[in-house]
Amino acid sequence: DGGITQSPKYLFRKEGQNVTLSCEQNLNHDAMYWYRQDPGQGLRLIYYSQIVNDFQKGDIAEGYSVSREKKESFPLTVTSAQKNPTAFYLCASSMYRTGGNEAFFGQGTRLTVV
Amino acid sequence: AQSVAQPEDQVNVAEGNPLTVKCTYSVSGNPYLFWYVQYPNRGLQFLLKYITGDNLVKGSYGFEAEFNKSQTSFHLKKPSALVSDSALYFCAVRENSGYALNFGKGTSLLVTP
Repeated sequence: DGGITQSPKYLFRKEGQNVTLSCEQNLNHDAMYWYRQDPGQGLRLIYYSQIVNDFQKGDIAEGYSVSREKKESFPLTVTSAQKNPTAFYLCASSMYRTGGNEAFFGQGTRLTVV
Repeated sequence: AQSVAQPEDQVNVAEGNPLTVKCTYSVSGNPYLFWYVQYPNRGLQFLLKYITGDNLVKGSYGFEAEFNKSQTSFHLKKPSALVSDSALYFCAVRENSGYALNFGKGTSLLVTP
């Protein structure tokens, strides 16, 4: 099956801990994205990557970090510097980062700070 | 800068009636426009997109959308709503030279039997 796999589905973090959310795609897409979803706020872009070993900050990158060592993988680390990390995190990919290429989404990871 | 507005937080419609979910956009160049649907605790599913050409775009599950350049709108429509259409709907835009999709805040659609 082709698609995007996010893991884990649910994640609990203690105050002061770093946690890493996994995102893997087998669609051979060049571009990958991380969005954060909060109730009533839609989706906000955290980071995006156009190619391997390259990534750019989105609108709310503070307190987050990413890597793109392989084309199919784009993990997101939520650091202790992120003041309010409880949210639903969505990973997406598209053939290219520009133009009319739609993005395909994973099933999301719900992160809760305990 | 690109932006999207979905003016209605919630839309209620009776099953069998037509539905419309509104979206307006702002871009500096030519827009690429998208509609997605999200069911509870799931990712977003692509419904349809406008790139160029015919202003009426048909998509998945009987949905369609009309691009109106003069009104900068891209409203989602369906002739006959189903209870199973109840979900959260997102409009998104990408500028011609843009990168990631910019999403609206979403509209919750409730279809009652």
